[in-house]
Amino acid sequence: GAGVSQSPSNKVTEKGKDVELRCDPISGHTALYWYRQRLGQGLEFLIYFQGNSAPDKSGLPSDRFSAERTGESVSTLTIQRTQQEDSAVYLCASSLVPDSSYEQYFGPGTRLTVT
Amino acid sequence: AQTVTQSQPEMSVQEAETVTLSCTYDTSESDYYLFWYKQPPSRQMILVIRQEAYKQQNATENRFSVNFQKAAKSFSLKISDSQLGDAAMYFCAYRSDFTETSGSRLTFGEGTQLTVNP
Repeated sequence: GAGVSQSPSNKVTEKGKDVELRCDPISGHTALYWYRQRLGQGLEFLIYFQGNSAPDKSGLPSDRFSAERTGESVSTLTIQRTQQEDSAVYLCASSLVPDSSYEQYFGPGTRLTVT
Repeated sequence: AQTVTQSQPEMSVQEAETVTLSCTYDTSESDYYLFWYKQPPSRQMILVIRQEAYKQQNATENRFSVNFQKAAKSFSLKISDSQLGDAAMYFCAYRSDFTETSGSRLTFGEGTQLTVNP
């Protein structure tokens, strides 16, 4: 079946503009995670959704970052007033249920470049 | 909070040889999972191997095996008979048991860039 998809694949934006990044999880997966990967670094956790609920948003780096999810479907990560430090690859992952024994399947990521 | 450390930013190996990538982690939990992921230039994260902390036996997946030392909090990856297609960034990751607030999020190391020389 189809895997996790993300769009756009690449996004170049000017400093100060808002951007929306989209994640389509695997159908039926209730848990969804967003991670950020700065150049040459590991992934850092941003936010977790169980269904359309995000119990803990403390991983979001600032209040310019927000995310929402429609039911158990698509999720959108929005960055307002982008800064150069926001340049990174944003990866999304989904799993059938959030239990630790269930694998997280990753999308290909969106590379965001803020100029 | 858990931390994961990969002390080798870069490693290289000759084709058909064996290479070991190191990973250490810090945690106060007794139940957790450890993973090695491969990330080629396509950015796609590919699960290579996983280890449940409660299992003493080291996990193996074909040419990939781990050396899991729970007391030392060490989790190294051994790649045998290295192939050109193994060249990628490798990430060690830690996963806690599920919690309501964080689900079962992953904590990653900084990665090791593996080059395979023909």
